[in-house]
Amino acid sequence: DAGVIQSPRHEVTEMGQEVTLRCKPISGHDYLFWYRQTMMRGLELLIYFNNNVPIDDSGMPEDRFSAKMPNASFSTLKIQPSEPRDSAVYFCASSLHRNEQFFGPGTRLTVL
Amino acid sequence: AQSVTQLDSQVPVFEEAPVELRCNYSSSVSVYLFWYVQYPNQGLQLLLKYLSGSTLVKGINGFEAEFNKSQTSFHLRKPSVHISDTAEYFCAVIKTSGSRLTFGEGTQLTVNP
Repeated sequence: DAGVIQSPRHEVTEMGQEVTLRCKPISGHDYLFWYRQTMMRGLELLIYFNNNVPIDDSGMPEDRFSAKMPNASFSTLKIQPSEPRDSAVYFCASSLHRNEQFFGPGTRLTVL
Repeated sequence: AQSVTQLDSQVPVFEEAPVELRCNYSSSVSVYLFWYVQYPNQGLQLLLKYLSGSTLVKGINGFEAEFNKSQTSFHLRKPSVHISDTAEYFCAVIKTSGSRLTFGEGTQLTVNP
């Protein structure tokens, strides 16, 4: 298995632009998680899905952030409009039946 | 809610020395425990996990951890470290009935020659 795939690996954008991060979970996994990692706040869970349904989005910072999972093999995290404080590494992870989570390589986002 | 405290933010050691990275957790219900490792510019990789059974858990790369319920600890150990073990290590906990992993703040292990 190729593991969790994220794209792009790096994204540099200007403040106010829309940013879309993509994730392909491991085939057969029924949970998908989006995390954000910064030096100041560490690893934060933003949202997670079970069987494509959002279960807990309490970690989403504000309305500028939205996430979707249209099918079992694809999820997006969108930031619109982006701000410099959104600069971070965003990780996607997937798991089977709430067992260990497998992380993708992350997307490093820089908002200028 | 559960919480995780990693007692050391940075641990410098010399190559071939033993190392212990400390983790304490707090939870009112039963939990599963994990240690993840993050190498520079990479995602997190599972080192080992405690779900049930023997309290001494062996993981990859020669690491092991011991679950101590009375002290609510899950310390990570390796008897002899290599330069390649330099990375950030995260302790994490999840309720046995839950789905959300709660991570500690991480411990940066630096192995010097």
